[in-house]
Amino acid sequence: DGGITQSPKYLFRKEGQNVTLSCEQNLNHDAMYWYRQDPGQGLRLIYYSQIVNDFQKGDIAEGYSVSREKKESFPLTVTSAQKNPTAFYLCASSTSQGIYYEQYFGPGTRLTVT
Amino acid sequence: GDSVTQMEGPVTLSEEAFLTINCTYTATGYPSLFWYVQYPGEGLQLLLKATKADDKGSNKGFEATYRKETTSFHLEKGSVQVSDSAVYFCALINQAGTALIFGKGTTLSVSS
Repeated sequence: DGGITQSPKYLFRKEGQNVTLSCEQNLNHDAMYWYRQDPGQGLRLIYYSQIVNDFQKGDIAEGYSVSREKKESFPLTVTSAQKNPTAFYLCASSTSQGIYYEQYFGPGTRLTVT
Repeated sequence: GDSVTQMEGPVTLSEEAFLTINCTYTATGYPSLFWYVQYPGEGLQLLLKATKADDKGSNKGFEATYRKETTSFHLEKGSVQVSDSAVYFCALINQAGTALIFGKGTTLSVSS
């Protein structure tokens, strides 16, 4: 089955530690995205990548970093510089642009930092 | 810039009631519009979409019509079920065509 996998589903870290969230897709999509979801805030875009080895900051990129070395993979690192890292993180990928554009989501990773 | 505004929730209904979740947007031009649904503890699933004015998207009994005169894309269902309980997000594609802009979501709770 084609889809997007995120692992792990739950992640716990101590304050001051960097943590990397995994996102893999086998949909052959060029574009991939990371969102952060907080209660009552909707989804906010952290980073996105339209092609391998290229990515752009979204609305809330501070304290996060990404890489896109392979088409299938788009890992997100939450650094110790992120002031409020506890949240639900969603990865997505999309088909071509324009009227055929559709975005597909993974199941999410809930990160808790204490 | 582009934005999406949804009605505040939660929306609480009895089974078989009629559902409307309002969504209005601000955008340059006529972007494609989407409704996504998120069940508890899961990612988002595309529910329906419309790519041009007067288009009606439909899926699983849900419908939404792209109204450019009122810049709206309200979600409707004639008879909700308990299994429809979820968070619903309205979204549009940004002007560059590269990412989605989401509303804050509306929580629907249906009781039997």
